[in-house]
Amino acid sequence: DVKVTQSSRYLVKRTGEKVFLECVQDMDHENMFWYRQDPGLGLRLIYFSYDVKMKEKGDIPEGYSVSREKKERFSLILESASTNQTSMYLCASSIQGSYNEQFFGPGTRLTVL
Amino acid sequence: AQSVAQPEDQVNVAEGNPLTVKCTYSVSGNPYLFWYVQYPNRGLQFLLKYITGDNLVKGSYGFEAEFNKSQTSFHLKKPSALVSDSALYFCAVSDSGSARQLTFGSGTQLTVLP
Repeated sequence: DVKVTQSSRYLVKRTGEKVFLECVQDMDHENMFWYRQDPGLGLRLIYFSYDVKMKEKGDIPEGYSVSREKKERFSLILESASTNQTSMYLCASSIQGSYNEQFFGPGTRLTVL
Repeated sequence: AQSVAQPEDQVNVAEGNPLTVKCTYSVSGNPYLFWYVQYPNRGLQFLLKYITGDNLVKGSYGFEAEFNKSQTSFHLKKPSALVSDSALYFCAVSDSGSARQLTFGSGTQLTVLP
């Protein structure tokens, strides 16, 4: 079974802090994704990566950056956390091709105070 | 641009009755369509997908979905609901003609009443 793990289930940070969310997948998938999930808005794509050191902006990249130094690891960085970034963050991975399903991690619930 | 609409925020159904969760989509090319389910405090789990071929797609846990090109719909169905089916359901679409990744709907909360 594909396993996608995220470094924290719950995280509380203060406004202005730099925040790192880590995601690791163990199935050698080329594609990795970061979403945020908010009630009534569904999942919105922040960034995705289709190869090591490659990244593409999603629908809401403002305030976020990403890093993919190794194929199995994809990090989401909040350079200066703000209260409107309080959300559930979901990481996913898939093999190449937009017809392939994505496999999701359990999520990180981030609260910015 | 691609988009997905799930017109119902909440669907309630009695256990043993058939259930339907609605989804309509918009893409410029041919659609790839997906359903995912999210149980409380869990990540999303893949249920089924339509790529091409038979319009009726069968997936996990007895769920199926029907692709209707003329109505641009991909409704999720199950003949007999279980209380354990209660969860948040997401429809998603990608466009075969571009490299664009999945676009998700806003989700439908399904509650199956005992």
